[in-house]
Amino acid sequence: DIVLTQSPALAVSLGQRATISCRASQSVSTSSYNLMHWYQQKPGEQPKLLIYDASNLASGIPVRFSGSGSGTDFTLTINPVQADDIATYYCQQSRELPLTFGSGTKLEIK
Amino acid sequence: QVTLKESGPGILQPSQTLSLTCTFSGFSLSTYGMGVGWIRQPSGKGLEWLANIWWDDDKYYNPSLKNRLTISKDTSNNQAFLKITNVDTADTATYYCARQGYVITTTGFDYWGQGVMVTVSS
Repeated sequence: DIVLTQSPALAVSLGQRATISCRASQSVSTSSYNLMHWYQQKPGEQPKLLIYDASNLASGIPVRFSGSGSGTDFTLTINPVQADDIATYYCQQSRELPLTFGSGTKLEIK
Repeated sequence: QVTLKESGPGILQPSQTLSLTCTFSGFSLSTYGMGVGWIRQPSGKGLEWLANIWWDDDKYYNPSLKNRLTISKDTSNNQAFLKITNVDTADTATYYCARQGYVITTTGFDYWGQGVMVTVSS
């Protein structure tokens, strides 16, 4: 299985940049695609897709969310962070079965 | 507008079979490239993918649950189903169904249901 490693928590100030990382135990990229996706989950709610294929913004997601990376290292950036962004963020790979998720990074306000 | 909604028994006893239903609208599981997945989340913990079913009836399972899972669909009624046999307390979780697409590769899960909480307890 591909293991995705995320830091448990990140504290940032409102209006600043948040950078959330996800490292895969093996490459999740093909010659043409980076098969890493990012989700936001607020307490008591279902996950919401933010970014697909590493860098593509999902429908309806604000442009202050962005994604980058390839191979084994990926980043979700929120800039600037707003109060509504307080949530847990998960990465997920679709390069190989079984599909796997990272353990999540909880974004907190400093 | 794409929506999904899960339904299930709420509470069941160890060794029983858990049957979950995902009723969706706004897309069809007979359309090329459409799929539905099941994902679960124990309270306070992370997400675990369980199974996927695709428009062409291809099915994929998480090997960690060995042979306990069965996924199926009813295209005419816009429903997908998941059965988990021989449940125990470790299966206590919120269960989500979510839409996934396939173009050249599989996409992320772009629409999710609200989830259904399942408790396994004697």
